[in-house]
Amino acid sequence: DTGVSQDPRHKITKRGQNVTFRCDPISEHNRLYWYRQTLGQGPEFLTYFQNEAQLEKSRLLSDRFSAERPKGSFSTLEIQRTEQGDSAMYLCASSFSPRGYEQYFGPGTRLTVT
Amino acid sequence: EDQVTQSPEALRLQEGESSSLNCSYTVSGLRGLFWYRQDPGKGPEFLFTLYSAGEEKEKERLKATLTKKESFLHITAPKPEDSATYLCAVQAGGYSSASKIIFGSGTRLSIRP
Repeated sequence: DTGVSQDPRHKITKRGQNVTFRCDPISEHNRLYWYRQTLGQGPEFLTYFQNEAQLEKSRLLSDRFSAERPKGSFSTLEIQRTEQGDSAMYLCASSFSPRGYEQYFGPGTRLTVT
Repeated sequence: EDQVTQSPEALRLQEGESSSLNCSYTVSGLRGLFWYRQDPGKGPEFLFTLYSAGEEKEKERLKATLTKKESFLHITAPKPEDSATYLCAVQAGGYSSASKIIFGSGTRLSIRP
């Protein structure tokens, strides 16, 4: 078990471009979460999957954001037409529901929109 | 409105100087309270889950406690490697309600040698 992995670790993009991030959860974990974190703040919930089903989306998740988890394994988060306000750390976490609510986080993807 | 508040925002201690971090919460239907450690540029690392008032958990120099309104993270005889941001989070509402996982802003802990 190598933990949650995220790719890329850093992404610099120009305003208006589309970006896609990938998250590979811990293999037996059926729940997967995406968060956004800005400097000096705690993570903010964006969306959540149980297996391949996207069960909840935050109001923070505008129409420019979309997430998928095909086959209930890895997940992707896409941001279309990026804006400078999208600059943040995007964190992925996974959990195994019968063991409780604790989540295990990946290292994050740092997005900078110029 | 569900809310999680951590205090202080920052804490500087001398090595060996014990102290406590506070996490106060107002949520409807607490399902669990979590403590995480986050090092700069990294994702949060899970430390503890507390489910009910009176519960305590310990790990090395850290001890977490829970009441009906707040949680404390006690740090005993800290070392410089304990320097990090400590995040508190609560799971409120229904079991399947992931949107009810709310994080505080964290306490930045710095331990001087």
